[in-house]
Order: sequence, then C-alpha cells, then structure tokens
Amino acid sequence: EVQLVESGGGVVKPGGSLRLSCAASGFTFGNAWMTWVRQAPGKGLKWVGRIKSIIDGGTTDYAAAVEGRFAISRDDSQNTLYLEMNSLKTEDTGVYYCTHDNWGSDHWGQGVLVTVSS
Amino acid sequence: DIVLTQSPDSLAVSLGERATVNCRSSQTLLYSSNHRSCLAWYQQKPGQPPKLLIYWASTRESGVPDRFSGGGSGTDFTLTVSSLQAEDVAVYYCQQYCSTPYTFGQGTKLEI
Repeated sequence: EVQLVESGGGVVKPGGSLRLSCAASGFTFGNAWMTWVRQAPGKGLKWVGRIKSIIDGGTTDYAAAVEGRFAISRDDSQNTLYLEMNSLKTEDTGVYYCTHDNWGSDHWGQGVLVTVSS
Repeated sequence: DIVLTQSPDSLAVSLGERATVNCRSSQTLLYSSNHRSCLAWYQQKPGQPPKLLIYWASTRESGVPDRFSGGGSGTDFTLTVSSLQAEDVAVYYCQQYCSTPYTFGQGTKLEI
C-alpha cells in the first residue's frame, strides 16, 4: 500500500523558514517523480513544484509564486521528499500535500499545515 | 502558464440525476509523445486530500465507480457523474500536466 506522510509543519513568522518532509513507502521511491501541492484555507489547489527521479535527471520545476524561495529535494536512500521554504509570506499559509506524480497525482499524503503569521 | 477555467463554480443536482462539470484550457492540452490529452480530474471531500478520478482526460483510475466519466479534447473537457449519489458531494478540480507549472482549475462544488 502506498503511503505518503508529511511532517514539519507549524507556525512561523513572515520572513522565516521551514522544512517539510514526506516519508514514502509502498512503491519504488527512487523511480518516482514527486510533487508538492498546497491549499490555502478554504481555497483551491495550487501546484508548488516537482522533482523528477534521479534517473530522469533529478531536475526541479516550481510555480512562479515560490520560485527562488522554495526548494524541493529528495533522499532516495531514505525514501524521503523535502520542501525547503524560505522567506515565507503570509500568503504561503495552507495545507501542503506531497503527491506521487504519475500522469496526474495518483497518491496524496494527508497534508501538513503551515501557518505564516506574526 | 496554462489557465484552466471550470464552470460552473457550484452545481446542485438531485440524487440519481446527471451532473456535468466543464473545464476549459487556455491552450490545447496534447501530450506530444502519445497524442493524448494531459488532463486529470480530482475529487476532494471536506477534510480529506484530493483523490484522482480520471487521467488522460478519459481514463478512469482503478477503483473509481463507472458513474464517473471524463471526455473532451483540445481545450474543452467534461467530467460527468451519470447518476449522482450522496457520497459524490465534493469539490471537483481539473488539472493539466502537459507542461510545468502544472495548473488546476478553480474547483466546482457539487451539492445535492
């Protein structure tokens, strides 16, 4: 059974930093492309970024709203995906989901809440 | 960036009746490698993560009831629930995965 479990959320002040983790199991993580999707309270889904598998280059792509502030990385030895978030803004508040990218996101974690507030 | 616009924003349908959600893209959604439409549909119930229903515009994900179907091509797509059940109350989103940044529609709230 595929499982994605996010952690690392919390409350942070504007301008602060936070690192989210996503522990994956039930599939060959090293072969997977992975994405982060976020959802502001009461709002719709927003794609944050993606990382390809190492064999496909391991490259990353980001939404314009987070480019230069957020960084996605992976540790295939630990089956873990990361989202490093810097220079956080109040509009970054929301639930962050880790997803398995397979022609659409076919598996999602339960999400982790990030609150950016002074 | 590719913009997806869903219509309507909300929809109320009687139990057993058909519900149709539309998704219009600002660009043609065609994956060059296989000539298929790179569009997915998701269902999100309150307090839950989204669930993939449909990919490649019309391929039903494993385990999804056959009352859910996807159609369309080019820039215009539809999600149809043929006979609405109480458990289908949710917000539905389309997403394109042709090119990054992948983008979502704004969502359609389906109610009884």
